[in-house]
Amino acid sequence: DTGVSQDPRHKITKRGQNVTFRCDPISEHNRLYWYRQTLGQGPEFLTYFQNEAQLEKSRLLSDRFSAERPKGSFSTLEIQRTEQGDSAMYLCASSLDASLATDEQFFGPGTRLTVL
Amino acid sequence: SQKIEQNSEALNIQEGKTATLTCNYTNYSPAYLQWYRQDPGRGPVFLLLIRENEKEKRKERLKVTFDTTLKQSLFHITASQPADSATYLCALDLRDDKIIFGKGTRLHILP
Repeated sequence: DTGVSQDPRHKITKRGQNVTFRCDPISEHNRLYWYRQTLGQGPEFLTYFQNEAQLEKSRLLSDRFSAERPKGSFSTLEIQRTEQGDSAMYLCASSLDASLATDEQFFGPGTRLTVL
Repeated sequence: SQKIEQNSEALNIQEGKTATLTCNYTNYSPAYLQWYRQDPGRGPVFLLLIRENEKEKRKERLKVTFDTTLKQSLFHITASQPADSATYLCALDLRDDKIIFGKGTRLHILP
């Protein structure tokens, strides 16, 4: 257990439905990242936050995806109008602070999304 | 184009031998490079980080080398054990605060 939790662990939904995932990072960590991972691939960067500010979004993140970190603590990732291609493992990671010249990331267990 | 390549999708090594995994990259200038372990159905777990000005880093049975001229990192597990069987991910830490992962190498340690 890395100290990063994600909820739910599994989500099955029908195409066209909206889903929301939650990530609780390690409490003193300023940085929070979202990744998507499909079978046989490494995690693909989606977006990240420094405290409550969303600093970057990948081109992979279409308009149907939105992420928030309202108080600089937990974060949510919402996918609207889900498509079958959204089926993947969604991973959250947190890190202390990049200014410390090390950016070891602590990953949560992931949320596995299946879109039928 | 920018690429990260990890050697062969799967590697079978006899227990007790040294496993060597390769990570090559093109058109990146990482500030440092990280290695993670991932077990099925779980998130990656950080193992080692090596900076661009470091040639080698060790941690217990693990050793990582980083050659910025060759644009290559080697990850070694000595005295390998079946419990070392997992997928190992190479990750480049770019200067813009993003981390880019390779596809990983599945390592099987055969008893």
